[in-house]
Amino acid sequence: DTGVSQDPRHKITKRGQNVTFRCDPISEHNRLYWYRQTLGQGPEFLTYFQNEAQLEKSRLLSDRFSAERPKGSFSTLEIQRTEQGDSAMYLCASSLVAPGGYTFGSGTRLTVV
Amino acid sequence: GENVEQHPSTLSVQEGDSAVIKCTYSDSASNYFPWYKQELGKRPQLIIDIRSNVGEKKDQRIAVTLNKTAKHFSLHITETQPEDSAVYFCAAPNTGNQFYFGTGTSLTVIP
Repeated sequence: DTGVSQDPRHKITKRGQNVTFRCDPISEHNRLYWYRQTLGQGPEFLTYFQNEAQLEKSRLLSDRFSAERPKGSFSTLEIQRTEQGDSAMYLCASSLVAPGGYTFGSGTRLTVV
Repeated sequence: GENVEQHPSTLSVQEGDSAVIKCTYSDSASNYFPWYKQELGKRPQLIIDIRSNVGEKKDQRIAVTLNKTAKHFSLHITETQPEDSAVYFCAAPNTGNQFYFGTGTSLTVIP
């Protein structure tokens, strides 16, 4: 296990299309987080899971966003009807205990044209 | 929720000098404070952290100090090197261990 993996690394999509990203956390980490980062800003919290339970969602997470972690391992983040404002880096992170630091993945850079 | 403010937004230092980045937080219940380094186009990486039961922690050239009364914590980098150039983020958690990040400090170390 070499860390948190995210796929794809880059995604270009047309406005209105749906996109799905995948995150594979460090295997022994039971907490998984999704963040969004735009240029020049710090990561913004979107949602997090403890095992398969989604425990909190940010107000940033509109109805077009949905996240799952069906078996408590990998997670997916889907954005429906993408808008240009969705263009950002989507970062996944995992951790073992709280409070504790995250290990971030390399992110998926989404560009909506 | 937690509110984290970070200063300065940009910082330039000569190689070998020290750099200090400061953050304040709002939630007095926060008890863990990490610092992340993000190089251009790469993921944020945890470089040091501090828990609320200590006031200072050092790791080679990097140190973090915490003042719980004033609700601020700082990152100190001594003997800076060009490879220290990056964006640094502080963060503070809410009760669910989801972090609120500062807006970042772009550090440039001039050779």
